[in-house]
Amino acid sequence: QKEVEQNSGPLSVPEGAIASLNCTYSDRGSQSFFWYRQYSGKSPELIMSIYSNGDKEDGRFTAQLNKASQYVSLLIRDSQPSDSATYLCAVNDFNKFYFGSGTKLNVKP
Amino acid sequence: ETGVTQSPTHLIKTRGQQVTLRCSSQSGHNTVSWYQQALGQGPQFIFQYYREEENGRGNFPPRFSGLQFPNYSSELNVNALELDDSALYLCASSSIIGRGSYNEQFFGPGTRLTVL
Repeated sequence: QKEVEQNSGPLSVPEGAIASLNCTYSDRGSQSFFWYRQYSGKSPELIMSIYSNGDKEDGRFTAQLNKASQYVSLLIRDSQPSDSATYLCAVNDFNKFYFGSGTKLNVKP
Repeated sequence: ETGVTQSPTHLIKTRGQQVTLRCSSQSGHNTVSWYQQALGQGPQFIFQYYREEENGRGNFPPRFSGLQFPNYSSELNVNALELDDSALYLCASSSIIGRGSYNEQFFGPGTRLTVL
């Protein structure tokens, strides 16, 4: 069974701080990596995709991928209360997707 | 808004019944994937359809089946409903060039299924 592991949290950070979310995956053959944000009662919303080792930045968000360590992370700079949500890590292996259970982030005003 | 639509929004069924959920993909997308999300869990991959054929399947029994139509919309059918089938069912659309070459997926709002 291929696994995607995330700390369930909650992760609490003050407004304006950097939130760091982490994810590990078990299948070395995984090809694509995604971060989704899910507000309570809503469907997941794509934040970032990353396909190769290194960092990828988009506004306040930075995704980091290390395939050798089977590790992907998401940094949120200048965290806002509106960032409070569950963050899901997803991994693509050929024609299948595997999601972690998500990390709940609370940004305190 | 992603442009992915799902119907119905909510559904209540009894154990043993059958259900059909529907999804319209985003314009320009040719692939639809279906997921089951139980409360407090991440989405679990059920299957994916590409060019009207099943293109990958997760660890779900055969009573979960699907279709994709020429306009790329899709249906998820679940037979012999069980209590544990109660969940949020999500549809996601994407565009892939060929099998195994993957682009980003965008989710619809979901269908909340309750089995009594």
